[in-house]
Amino acid sequence: DGGITQSPKYLFRKEGQNVTLSCEQNLNHDAMYWYRQDPGQGLRLIYYSQIVNDFQKGDIAEGYSVSREKKESFPLTVTSAQKNPTAFYLCASTGRTSYEQYFGPGTRLTVT
Amino acid sequence: DQQVKQNSPSLSVQEGRISILNCDYTNSMFDYFLWYKKYPAEGPTFLISISSIKDKNEDGRFTVFLNKSAKHLSLHIVPSQPGDSAVYFCAASGYPLQGGSEKLVFGKGTKLTVNP
Repeated sequence: DGGITQSPKYLFRKEGQNVTLSCEQNLNHDAMYWYRQDPGQGLRLIYYSQIVNDFQKGDIAEGYSVSREKKESFPLTVTSAQKNPTAFYLCASTGRTSYEQYFGPGTRLTVT
Repeated sequence: DQQVKQNSPSLSVQEGRISILNCDYTNSMFDYFLWYKKYPAEGPTFLISISSIKDKNEDGRFTVFLNKSAKHLSLHIVPSQPGDSAVYFCAASGYPLQGGSEKLVFGKGTKLTVNP
């Protein structure tokens, strides 16, 4: 059945290391998004992509990078330049003409 | 500048009663509104939406009301069930993103607890 998968569910890294979070969808959606959620906060947009090989910065892109080499995949790299990387990261996708974004299960990243 | 506000961080109701979750927005350009439900350590799931051309949308136990003049929307859950206990996010759309889709602006969420 169709959906969005994110792996791993939990990720632990040492400060100063880059880490890549996986996001895959088989919904045939054109647009994909990365959000970050912190305790007591709403979802904040990091990066989004509307089409393969193209992506745009969201509201809090500093310290993050993405790629979109395939329609199904939109990995997010949290670099060592990100000052507060510990958070819950959510990937979402949507069809071109739809407002509703569908979310993956999330990855909890802890950097110590 | 918080454009979508959920002023109640938490709400507690008894099973079988009505739950009313509120959301205010400041940007009159928002034209579509969504509610998402989120359990801990899981991704949000879409619940119900409403276009700005309507003032009410109903889906089973869930009804969303929109008051454009007050820039206010609310989610009613009747009757409330213990399984409804979750964080509810209000989101608004109205910012076209480069490439055609829309940006969603999320509130900070309201944690609903339904007590048996």
